[in-house]
Amino acid sequence: DTGVSQNPRHKITKRGQNVTFRCDPISEHNRLYWYRQTLGQGPEFLTYFQNEAQLEKSRLLSDRFSAERPKGSFSTLEIQRTEQGDSAMYLCASSPGQVHGTEAFFGQGTRLTVV
Amino acid sequence: AQTVTQSQPEMSVQEAETVTLSCTYDTSESDYYLFWYKQPPSRQMILVIRQEAYKQQNATENRFSVNFQKAAKSFSLKISDSQLGDAAMYFCAYRSANYGQNFVFGPGTRLSVLP
Repeated sequence: DTGVSQNPRHKITKRGQNVTFRCDPISEHNRLYWYRQTLGQGPEFLTYFQNEAQLEKSRLLSDRFSAERPKGSFSTLEIQRTEQGDSAMYLCASSPGQVHGTEAFFGQGTRLTVV
Repeated sequence: AQTVTQSQPEMSVQEAETVTLSCTYDTSESDYYLFWYKQPPSRQMILVIRQEAYKQQNATENRFSVNFQKAAKSFSLKISDSQLGDAAMYFCAYRSANYGQNFVFGPGTRLSVLP
């Protein structure tokens, strides 16, 4: 399968614990996005990478959130000291860098539940 | 900052009939891209149709077409001959043509298709 892959698909964690999600983009895509989606809402932008460079971060991304994309391949999103308000679907998407108007291709998401 | 509005939280259509989903956006830019994404229940988001702002001709993809009114900043989606598989959340999205911009999504419209 050559689509965007996200792991794990589901994560249940206790409040205060740290969690890390992984995203593997489509191999030739150099742009990678992280979005958060709560039930019944549209995706909210969190952060964006061009290759390994993190070019844009939303103010939604508090200091408890950190994202990396070492070597411009897969990306990880870490949430430290999780809170119940962090419960959401975390979506990863990728797109080619050569053509600006190309759509984003989404993974199936990681559903986080903080109890 | 750009914003995307979808004023219809829920819509329903009879199978084989036509339905139109509304989307408006706010931007000061002249060059951008617009997208409609479909998100079936518990499944990943997929692209339905895209429109370049510099093109006057409305995009079409089989049973899906758009009515793009640039001056009015309106971008509606028409689904003809609706099928049961069209039932999903539909999100309108905006992306600037400036290098490095992320996708801005609307809150979504839940479409039900009645047999």
